[in-house]
Amino acid sequence: GAVVSQHPSRVICKSGTSVKIECRSLDFQATTMFWYRQFPKQSLMLMATSNEGSKATYEQGVEKDKFLINHASLTLSTLTVASAHPEDSSFYICSATAGSGGNTIYFGEGSWLTVV
Amino acid sequence: GQNIDQPTEMTATEGAIVQINCTYQTSGFNGLFWYQQHAGEAPTFLSYNVLDGLEEKGRFSSFLSRSKGYSYLLLKELQMKDSASYLCAVYNPNDYKLSFGAGTTVTVRA
Repeated sequence: GAVVSQHPSRVICKSGTSVKIECRSLDFQATTMFWYRQFPKQSLMLMATSNEGSKATYEQGVEKDKFLINHASLTLSTLTVASAHPEDSSFYICSATAGSGGNTIYFGEGSWLTVV
Repeated sequence: GQNIDQPTEMTATEGAIVQINCTYQTSGFNGLFWYQQHAGEAPTFLSYNVLDGLEEKGRFSSFLSRSKGYSYLLLKELQMKDSASYLCAVYNPNDYKLSFGAGTTVTVRA
């Protein structure tokens, strides 16, 4: 079964509203979580790195005031798309790591966001 | 910085073999991943190579040469369900980040 759960899997919202996506590690403590965005027929682009109890580190070009990340506990990180616009419509995926080895990275199921 | 290259598309016939190459130049390296991703779904883990050589898992095999910055994913006895995008990703232990290639779309034809 899935060790990283993402919710909601699909969401449609009106332009100008905010949307929150949750990423939970189900049976391990995730010291670090990552948020990716993927446009159709493109690869995964890392948006930010989220560490429990500290501010997220954003990749170049990602607006931190628009994509708000909160990593309040070792099992939960949230991504809030503030004042969403149609161009924010995309597939958002989180991943979580339980340790320092590369083989401990787990992906969530992804969330489709459509802004109308 | 990270530079990861893989072909954009490949087409093969059902039952055949396809090899997807990936070359990388990265600032930190501690393993190379291959993922399969069907349209509209999250990536699915296929393999993780840390040491040089070939690792085989059923119909899928993955090879790594760290000195050459090169890996390949070999898909044997292709099935229609293997039609998907295959992503090569390098793991950097310094920041725990995965850097992805653009992905190779494999189309299997009857």
